Amino acid sequence: DAKTTQPPSMDCAEGRAANLPCNHSTISGNEYVYWYRQIHSQGPQYIIHGLKNNETNEMASLIITEDRKSSTLILPHATLRDTAVYYCIVRVAYSGYALNFGKGTSLLVTP
Amino acid sequence: EAQVTQNPRYLITVTGKKLTVTCSQNMNHEYMSWYRQDPGLGLRQIYYSMNVEVTDKGDVPEGYKVSRKEKRNFPLILESPSPNQTSLYFCASSQKGTAYGYTFGSGTRLTVV
Repeated sequence: DAKTTQPPSMDCAEGRAANLPCNHSTISGNEYVYWYRQIHSQGPQYIIHGLKNNETNEMASLIITEDRKSSTLILPHATLRDTAVYYCIVRVAYSGYALNFGKGTSLLVTP
Repeated sequence: EAQVTQNPRYLITVTGKKLTVTCSQNMNHEYMSWYRQDPGLGLRQIYYSMNVEVTDKGDVPEGYKVSRKEKRNFPLILESPSPNQTSLYFCASSQKGTAYGYTFGSGTRLTVV
């Protein structure tokens, strides 16, 4: 699976959009971009995934650059409950192999 | 509610005393997996199962056993726990096929003294 690079930490004011970047310059054509988050020792929570096109669901939006070498997770109106570690993972669609969570980005949403 | 249920949530045990952490999912998922999380090391996969009676080692399988006799259950067995297995454990499941996300359980915090 391709390696990802994320900033170690970010801050965001409550109510504002949180934009979390991820670089994955070695991504292969059949690899998807997945985002998960973990709120303080709870089980990781799946947020969204995409292959080429931008994606949106009830939690977030995922913007993938045309060359697929980077992506941005957008939480449109961050709340205090969005404070968590966010992980960008690149991998093929269905594989037994481990999700490589890396160190992620610790997002702090402040009042 | 669709979920992955782990039990127990917390467990303190002594070295060498066999224990089992249960994992059950109600989503009819083919794929199940166990992870452990340790400070500074992140989440690491212990074992996974692609379907009933099919299991395989992950990155850190030593000291653990698993079984998949039925689709919904994937217990993690520590035959002779040691202090280095003190960790936070997560079970996960996923639907077979294209790009589905994983559903994780709430975790089991295990302390071996």
